[in-house]
Amino acid sequence: AQSVTQLDSHVSVSEGTPVLLRCNYSSSYSPSLFWYVQHPNKGLQLLLKYTSAATLVKGINGFEAEFKKSETSFHLTKPSAHMSDAAEYFCVVSDPPGGSYIPTFGRGTSLIVHP
Amino acid sequence: NAGVTQTPKFQVLKTGQSMTLQCAQDMNHNSMYWYRQDPGMGLRLIYYSASEGTTDKGEVPNGYNVSRLNKREFSLRLESAAPSQTSVYFCASSERGLDTEAFFGQGTRLTVV
Repeated sequence: AQSVTQLDSHVSVSEGTPVLLRCNYSSSYSPSLFWYVQHPNKGLQLLLKYTSAATLVKGINGFEAEFKKSETSFHLTKPSAHMSDAAEYFCVVSDPPGGSYIPTFGRGTSLIVHP
Repeated sequence: NAGVTQTPKFQVLKTGQSMTLQCAQDMNHNSMYWYRQDPGMGLRLIYYSASEGTTDKGEVPNGYNVSRLNKREFSLRLESAAPSQTSVYFCASSERGLDTEAFFGQGTRLTVV
């Protein structure tokens, strides 16, 4: 069965400093991996996805993530945090048991950005 | 493009009341999902439908029923609401296949008193 572990429930950074949100996954297959962002009282927006074409994936708003199969990780990074990045971030794995590709969510990481 | 549309956006129910959450997508996706979001728990799958005419239980199906009315619509029914069902509910849809992301509705905030 697939699963996702987001290693930090909260991450606090200062504006202009780097962001690292950590995600480890478990899958019996070669999975699809995604990061979604949820701003307060809003829906979920796709930040980026791993498509197996390249291990370093670039997303929107300057975020990127690196797929490391040997470490079963898919950490999200951004070189310089902005106040508008404050939100909840979800790592998601989807693999094909029976062809269903059901998205499974991590518990989320709340990113706090201080001025 | 509307994407995934959920109704209602907010609802307050009394314990024991019933209600149906509606979801429709206009992207011609085969797969549709219902999740609930609770603080610190991420999104947990209630039910999903891999294609029109099929539905399957997810992680937390107790107290819920679903109907895949047609390819566009997937409804979630609470037959007898309980305070433990107070949550934010999200409907999503996706195409079947590797590397295909899910698209989400704006959510329904349900409070059961």
